[in-house]
Amino acid sequence: QVQLQESGPGLVKPSETLSLTCTVSGGSISSYYWSWIRQPPGKGLEWIGCIHYSGSTDYDPSLKSRVTISVDTSKNQFSLTLSSVTAADTAVYYCARRSRSGTYYFFDYWGQGTLVTVSS
Amino acid sequence: DIQMTQSPSSLSASVGDRVTITCRASQTISTFLNWYQQKPGKAPNLLIYAASTLQSGVPSRFSGSGSGTDFTLIISSLQPEDFATYYCQQSLKTPRTFGQGTKVEIK
Repeated sequence: QVQLQESGPGLVKPSETLSLTCTVSGGSISSYYWSWIRQPPGKGLEWIGCIHYSGSTDYDPSLKSRVTISVDTSKNQFSLTLSSVTAADTAVYYCARRSRSGTYYFFDYWGQGTLVTVSS
Repeated sequence: DIQMTQSPSSLSASVGDRVTITCRASQTISTFLNWYQQKPGKAPNLLIYAASTLQSGVPSRFSGSGSGTDFTLIISSLQPEDFATYYCQQSLKTPRTFGQGTKVEIK
């Protein structure tokens, strides 16, 4: 059974950089795309971006200038950095596996989520 | 970006009721549409992909239909564990966008 676990600071100061890591267990990080998705308190889901185990990335254009997603296959981990954060970046951050069936893609495994609060 | 609009935003229903949630895309997405269920404090759980394909392990009371811009999630007989928020998500184009959610509450 594949499991994902987010880790990182729960509090980040405004204008600083948010950094999170997702550790994948129960399966290899190879052969899939891996995503970050966030959910502001009481609101809906927002896709941030994804990375292939090979290193190919795809980002939400509205966040692209501030986001970097990287992968470490030796550790079965992938990471998110989001720079110049503001209060609007306060959210629960989820990592998720993007799977495929034919030409259809979907998020089938998710981490439990980690709340990141941006505040001084 | 493709905008996803769900209706209603919330609904109240009783155990055993048939529940229908709709999702509309701002442009045609064929059947590149997924549905997720989210319970409070938990991560979303995939219910349906490709508009109508039930994810393994999901009860058969859940069904999905639609293509193009209009989609429907149906719960044929609502169970106590189905009270949750439901999200649609398009998988045709980047950015992968979600609907705003439909909260199903106990009447």
